[in-house]
Parts: sequence; C-alpha cells; structure tokens
Amino acid sequence: RKEVEQDPGPFNVPEGATVAFNCTYSNSASQSFFWYRQDCRKEPKLLMSVYSSGNEDGRFTAQLNRASQYISLLIRDSKLSDSATYLCVVDSWGKLQFGAGTQVVVTP
Amino acid sequence: DTAVSQTPKYLVTQMGNDKSIKCEQNLGHDTMYWYKQDSKKFLKIMFSYNNKELIINETVPNRFSPKSPDKAHLNLHINSLELGDSAVYFCASSQRIGGRGVQETQYFGPGTRLLVL
Repeated sequence: RKEVEQDPGPFNVPEGATVAFNCTYSNSASQSFFWYRQDCRKEPKLLMSVYSSGNEDGRFTAQLNRASQYISLLIRDSKLSDSATYLCVVDSWGKLQFGAGTQVVVTP
Repeated sequence: DTAVSQTPKYLVTQMGNDKSIKCEQNLGHDTMYWYKQDSKKFLKIMFSYNNKELIINETVPNRFSPKSPDKAHLNLHINSLELGDSAVYFCASSQRIGGRGVQETQYFGPGTRLLVL
C-alpha cells in the first residue's frame, strides 16, 4: 500500500464552482500535513499546511481527519489559474511522503 | 531573485555516461534535499543534508553520490547512467531539518529534466 494515496483525477471544474478532493495516508503516527501545488513542468510549491482543527486560506480550505487518516482540500469559486496538480504531502518518520497528485482543470 | 536554483535545466545523455547536477539556495537554509520525480509523477526523496552532513540516504543505487561543499550547495553526481534514471530531479531546501513529527516547509528548485538514451 502506498504511504499517500490520491485520486489522480482529472477533476474538470467550471469556473466559479467548488471542487473538493481527499487524500489518504497510511502512517497513523504522521504529525505534519501539507498541500503543495505543481503546475505542468514546474516545481511543487507549498499551497498550505493542514492543521488539526482545519484551516482556511482565502478560497482554499483544508481539513484533517485523523481517525480515518485522510486530509481534504476544498477550492471555492474556482479560477482558471487554479488549474494544476495538487500534491498531498504527509510526514512519515521524519521524511515527507508525496502523493502522486490530483489534477484539477478549471474550464471557462 | 531565485531562491533555489539548479543547473542544468535539461540534460540529455547516453547510457553509461557520468553527469552532475548542481543546486544552490540563497535562503540561508540549513537543510537541502534531492528528490526524483518519475514518469508516474511520484516525488521520492533520495538524500537530505543538514549543514553539510548527510541525514537521509534512501535506497538509492550507489551510482548516485551527493556532495555538499557548503550548506548553500548540494550537488548530485550520477555514474554510469541507466535508462531508468530518466526523470525530473528536484533540489529543495528547508530552514531546519524536520524531526519526527515536525516538518519545515520545503522550497523546490525548478527541476532538472534528465533523459538517458
């Protein structure tokens, strides 16, 4: 079983709509969780950290469910510029484990 | 100002050759990393250095040898290149090394696209 699993998508989202997707992780001892964003042929960039109580950054909301071992990302009022691959990242024994990413395509 | 830079951006070479990729960060970070992103898009850590000291050494063939001349630089030398080495190699840095359970934000370089023919 992979340490971090994500639905690869693509999630095709009309501009202005809301999209949400999850990621599951296998190491119950993980303490740090992140969402990174990777544009085509570019490097990953931190989108946001995920805190136990859930957190929001503008149109982006992240949630953590420790009992079921998943994190989620919700994007409200999607913009064309939100089109990217979203990488779920989880700390596992001192190393960051990356998911393969969920592709989001926002269409006009 | 580029925070984490890598050279070259593209590298096309023949099987069996030896090549190096260079990485530099100007963020004043203590920790640097090498990752490999294969065709399936998984990013996997290869090495991590903290203040020039090797901290993480994943199950990577010993044809891959990292070198950190100072904490702002982490180079990757690859001997006897194989077809399976074709991938995108990302360098990254973070302020401090992440201990178990505590991770610092990592900043990535633009990547080096390696194609072995």
